Amino acid sequence: DSGVTQTPKHLITATGQRVTLRCSPRSGDLSVYWYQQSLDQGLQFLIQYYNGEERAKGNILERFSAQQFPDLHSELNLSSLELGDSALYFCASSVESGGPRDTQYFGPGTRLTVL
Amino acid sequence: TQLLEQSPQFLSIQEGENLTVYCNSSSVFSSLQWYRQEPGEGPVLLVTVVTGGEVKKLKRLTFQFGDARKDSSLHITAAQPGDTGLYLCAALRPGNQFYFGTGTSLTVIP
Repeated sequence: DSGVTQTPKHLITATGQRVTLRCSPRSGDLSVYWYQQSLDQGLQFLIQYYNGEERAKGNILERFSAQQFPDLHSELNLSSLELGDSALYFCASSVESGGPRDTQYFGPGTRLTVL
Repeated sequence: TQLLEQSPQFLSIQEGENLTVYCNSSSVFSSLQWYRQEPGEGPVLLVTVVTGGEVKKLKRLTFQFGDARKDSSLHITAAQPGDTGLYLCAALRPGNQFYFGTGTSLTVIP
């Protein structure tokens, strides 16, 4: 158990819909990262927040957005869903804002299926 | 084109055998990490290497960072069924962006 929690564990929805994935970081961690893992693209970095502010942006689509709240939990919003958005979505947290010495701890993931 | 190419993509070996997994790129990195991911779980960090030529050992696992900091290898000695999983290398690029490799799926047969 990494100490990072993600809800829900599974999510099944239809194309065109909007969903929200939630992540609670480990106690004391200030950074939250979001990743998408699919069979064809592998594990892709989406976005990072540090203490409520956006810190780094990766391959995140405009239909996707995220935020980190004052209590440091984070939400990833996915809208106008397409079949290709079906994937595992992971959240990770770390103590600091990044860097090679900053260890990321991954949650168990949310499996999103778009039908 | 993937920033970090791993080889082999799949590997199935008998318990007790040795193996090496490679992570290659044309880019130079300030550091590189190796993770292991088991089915239904998130990746778990195994090691971080930051110095060109650095070698780190974690029990039966040996990690090496290339002298030019463009590649890395993971060597497992006397593989055990518990080593089964997806091995991922990852690198931090400018702008604090994390890139993961294409992955190597290892199966160790008892």
